Amino acid sequence: EVQLVESGGGLVQPGRSLRLSCAASGFTFDDYAMHWVRQAPGKGLEWVSGISWNSGSIGYADSVKGRFTISRDNAKNSLYLQMNSLRAEDTALYYCAKDTKSSSSRGGAFDIWGQGTMVTVSS
Amino acid sequence: DIQMTQSPSSLSASVGDRVTITCRASQSISSYLNWYQQKPGKAPKLLIYAASSLQSGVPSRFSGSGSGTDFTLTISSLQPEDFATYYCQQSYSTSIFTFGPGTKVDIK
Repeated sequence: EVQLVESGGGLVQPGRSLRLSCAASGFTFDDYAMHWVRQAPGKGLEWVSGISWNSGSIGYADSVKGRFTISRDNAKNSLYLQMNSLRAEDTALYYCAKDTKSSSSRGGAFDIWGQGTMVTVSS
Repeated sequence: DIQMTQSPSSLSASVGDRVTITCRASQSISSYLNWYQQKPGKAPKLLIYAASSLQSGVPSRFSGSGSGTDFTLTISSLQPEDFATYYCQQSYSTSIFTFGPGTKVDIK
């Protein structure tokens, strides 16, 4: 079964750090680009970051650039999101999503999604 | 950066109705436009990619059209399971993927 399982969310104080993980199974992980997408409570979807199959191409939303770092370990079939200097506005459900392409290039779509891990930034 | 807008932001419809949702990009994105469906408490689901290609397993009552800056998602005959929020997404910008604000479809 094709599956993505996120973990690592929780309650964290503003300014602190958190690392999210996404475990992939049921498909050849290193054939595809991967992404993080978040959704604040009651709000829409916001693309956060994406990484190509070989980590050679990485992109970030302006809202997280310089604070978040995406990475992947193909040997462990895992995707990560290191989140530093967290703010209240980073409070959201964070989804891991699989791209239909290998390079997070033009034309990709997100065909497999995890169930998300909740991050709450509050003092 | 490419901005995406959707209209309407919400609509009420009845089972059997034909429903059309519009998505507009702030600049031409060719046909690099995807549509997703999200039900409450669930992860989004890919419906349409490349503006008009139906994702495997998605019912044929869903269709997409458009190119350039203007796109539409049409549900030909609304079913009870189609009440959800629909998002468009541009995949034109390399390594940057922007979602529209969403359109909520609920029961009239």
